[in-house]
Amino acid sequence: VQLVQSGAEVKKPGESLKISCQGSGYRFTNYWIGWVRQMPGKGLEWMGIIYPGDSDTRYSPSFQGQVTISADKSISTAYLQWSSLRASDSAMYYCARPVVPARWNAMDVWGQGTTVTVSS
Amino acid sequence: QSVLTQPPSVSAAPGQKVTISCSGSSSNIGIDYVSWYQQLPGTAPKLLIYDNDKRPSGIPDRFSGSKSGTSATLGITGLQTGDEADYYCGTWDASLSAWVFGGGTKLTVL
Repeated sequence: VQLVQSGAEVKKPGESLKISCQGSGYRFTNYWIGWVRQMPGKGLEWMGIIYPGDSDTRYSPSFQGQVTISADKSISTAYLQWSSLRASDSAMYYCARPVVPARWNAMDVWGQGTTVTVSS
Repeated sequence: QSVLTQPPSVSAAPGQKVTISCSGSSSNIGIDYVSWYQQLPGTAPKLLIYDNDKRPSGIPDRFSGSKSGTSATLGITGLQTGDEADYYCGTWDASLSAWVFGGGTKLTVL
């Protein structure tokens, strides 16, 4: 069971970006996938989750309207995207899967992280 | 300001025991399970404890978790230098309809 994330990105303010998280070794459609932000030197922040089985999506109030979470179950991949990046979006982003299917709870499988750098 | 409150840092000598607290409220810890994560420098977080006191396969029994009311505690016995890391608690907050993490605690093994 693993989650493999796309590689590091360097972007300019105002650009769009979509990063990915591919699951393998388990039934992708049966588990929620979540995204977690970690800004440099800071703690973990939960951004939101998606259930690939029916694309049910929930966002943290702090990130609602700032990012879009999506999934393509045909390729077992979840996405996190921005339409217009800001310097403050520079961070490490992790995807994670919960311990049990069909319910969001403790996260026991984590991706390796994707570093996003936004700089002019 | 995190919804869950953890001490910024704790320290203890090798071989000793340390506890890390996580204080919440009736809308989060008071009504849902707590999990704990270890993040070694430069790595992704790792689940140590889930459902308040359960250890995933492969996590040594030096790590333990407990919950009482609106607070939870992570205990680590037989401290090793390899335990130096940041530790986070997490749970669901019904008022926010969102998962929340504590601010994190940096463990130093002196």
